[in-house]
Amino acid sequence: DAKTTQPPSMDCAEGRAANLPCNHSTISGNEYVYWYRQIHSQGPQYIIHGLKNNETNEMASLIITEDRKSSTLILPHATLRDTAVYYCIVRVAGETSGSRLTFGEGTQLTVNP
Amino acid sequence: DAGVTQSPTHLIKTRGQHVTLRCSPISGHKSVSWYQQVLGQGPQFIFQYYEKEERGRGNFPDRFSARQFPNYSSELNVNALLLGDSALYLCASSQSGTRHYGYTFGSGTRLTVV
Repeated sequence: DAKTTQPPSMDCAEGRAANLPCNHSTISGNEYVYWYRQIHSQGPQYIIHGLKNNETNEMASLIITEDRKSSTLILPHATLRDTAVYYCIVRVAGETSGSRLTFGEGTQLTVNP
Repeated sequence: DAGVTQSPTHLIKTRGQHVTLRCSPISGHKSVSWYQQVLGQGPQFIFQYYEKEERGRGNFPDRFSARQFPNYSSELNVNALLLGDSALYLCASSQSGTRHYGYTFGSGTRLTVV
């Protein structure tokens, strides 16, 4: 699975959009981009995933650049409960890949009142 | 619906002992994976089981083993515990062993080896 690079920490004001970047310059054509987050002392929580098109769900939006070498997770209106470590993961989805998720060190997002 | 449940939530063991951690997946989920998360790091993949068969193994020593039961619950066993095995052990379940569904994690078992 391709390696990802994320900033170690970011701050965001409550009510503002939080934009979390991720670089995955060695991503392969069959690898998806996943985002998870982990609130302190809890298990990681799935947020969103995508291949090459922008994706949106009730939690967030995922913007993937045209060359797929980077992506941005957008939390449109951050709340204090969004304070967490956010992980960007790329992996192959297919018959032989299994369910292995390769976590990096993630980005600690702190939402301030 | 119940999420992924893990037991116990906390555990203290002595070096050299053996430990068994348990995981019950979401109803209908047939795949279970185990991860180890050392303080300050991201989770590291240990095992994946699907339909009671091992489908993946991470870079962990043979002291780590696991199995999946007919009801799809799973156990992670660690023998000859070392201080470095102190970590949060996470279980994740998914509907399939191979597709890119979102994986649901439990809250983990906090293991402390003294």
